[in-house]
Amino acid sequence: EVQVLQTGAEIKKPGATVKISCKVSGYTFTDYFVHWVKQAPGKGLEWVGLVDPGDGETIYAEKFQGRVTISADTSTDTGYMELSSLKSEDTAVYFCATGGGPIDYWGQGTLVTVSS
Amino acid sequence: DIVMTQSPDSLAVSLGERATINCKSSQSVLSSSNNKNYLAWYQQKPGQSPKLLIYWASSRESGVPDRFSGSGSGTDFTLTISSLQAEDVAVYYCQQYYATPPRLTFGGGTKVEIK
Repeated sequence: EVQVLQTGAEIKKPGATVKISCKVSGYTFTDYFVHWVKQAPGKGLEWVGLVDPGDGETIYAEKFQGRVTISADTSTDTGYMELSSLKSEDTAVYFCATGGGPIDYWGQGTLVTVSS
Repeated sequence: DIVMTQSPDSLAVSLGERATINCKSSQSVLSSSNNKNYLAWYQQKPGQSPKLLIYWASSRESGVPDRFSGSGSGTDFTLTISSLQAEDVAVYYCQQYYATPPRLTFGGGTKVEIK
């Protein structure tokens, strides 16, 4: 059974940096991309970017380019997303999700709250 | 980036009736190399993570009831729930995954409720 387990909620001040992670199991980690998807309160799904754990290649949505770093650790089958220069608009649930094309498996989401 | 536009934003359907959701992409997501449409549909119930329903525009994910079906090609796609059940109340999203690695984009979502 595939599992995608994300770290718990974070509260950060504006201007800070947050790093959240997800540990995957139940498949070969390097077989699928690891995506991060943002969902602001009451809003839709917004793709942040992905990492290919096989070779470390990353692709970011233009909106987040320069502020986000996505990575993967193949020794622990864990994906990471670091978001810097946080602002109130970054308050959202961030999903870690995996798949080779469409997203087959989703984590439970990590709530990041940005507040002074 | 490919822009995905869904309609309507919301719809209310009686139990047992048909629900139809439309999705349009700003450019074709049909690959000429394999004749596949790189289009998926997801269901998200309140407080839950999204769930994959349909991929390749019309292939149903394992375990998804056959009242859910996807159709369309190129730039215009449809998700149909043939006979709405109470457990189908959710927000539905289309998503394109064209290109490798895919730069994903989602539609804005359609909220389905019971009339």
